[in-house]
Amino acid sequence: DGGITQSPKYLFRKEGQNVTLSCEQNLNHDAMYWYRQDPGQGLRLIYYSQIVNDFQKGDIAEGYSVSREKKESFPLTVTSAQKNPTAFYLCASSPAGQGGKEKLFFGSGTQLSVL
Amino acid sequence: SQQGEEDPQALSIQEGENATMNCSYKTSINNLQWYRQNSGRGLVHLILIRSNEREKHSGRLRVTLDTSKKSSSLLITASRAADTASYFCATPSSGGYQKVTFGTGTKLQVIP
Repeated sequence: DGGITQSPKYLFRKEGQNVTLSCEQNLNHDAMYWYRQDPGQGLRLIYYSQIVNDFQKGDIAEGYSVSREKKESFPLTVTSAQKNPTAFYLCASSPAGQGGKEKLFFGSGTQLSVL
Repeated sequence: SQQGEEDPQALSIQEGENATMNCSYKTSINNLQWYRQNSGRGLVHLILIRSNEREKHSGRLRVTLDTSKKSSSLLITASRAADTASYFCATPSSGGYQKVTFGTGTKLQVIP
């Protein structure tokens, strides 16, 4: 089945540790996105990528890093510089790099908590 | 920054009733989208309405768009318990098509 796979579903981070959230899609979409969702709130854009080897900062990129070495994969690293990482992280993709014109397809999310 | 803002924040209705939620946005848009999120899950696209459209239907969903007021509404008719979820509007943010920003959402509870 085509779709977006996020892993792990739950992730725990120790103080000062970097952790990486995985996002893989087999929809052949050009654009991929990372959003952060805090309890009871909407989604805030962290990073987005329109094509391989290119990505842009979203509204809350500080303390996060990404890579886009393959079209199918867009991993997100939450670094130790992110002081309040506890949140629900959602990955999404859309075709043709035009997320504003086409609908977004979402993964099922990763809940990150701090130990 | 959040482009859209939904109203009300929470809505509780009886099964069979209609549910209406509203979205206001700040800048000019080319389209507006509505998504649904079940608790602890990813979002699912419901419907997209383009700026030159005023109303669009999909099954029990009806979306309206008023670009002069920078607002949109989502109507769910004959609601079911399975419609219980959070609903978000989403718009392309200023500066290009690649950034899609979401509102704060309306949490809908449909009581059986």
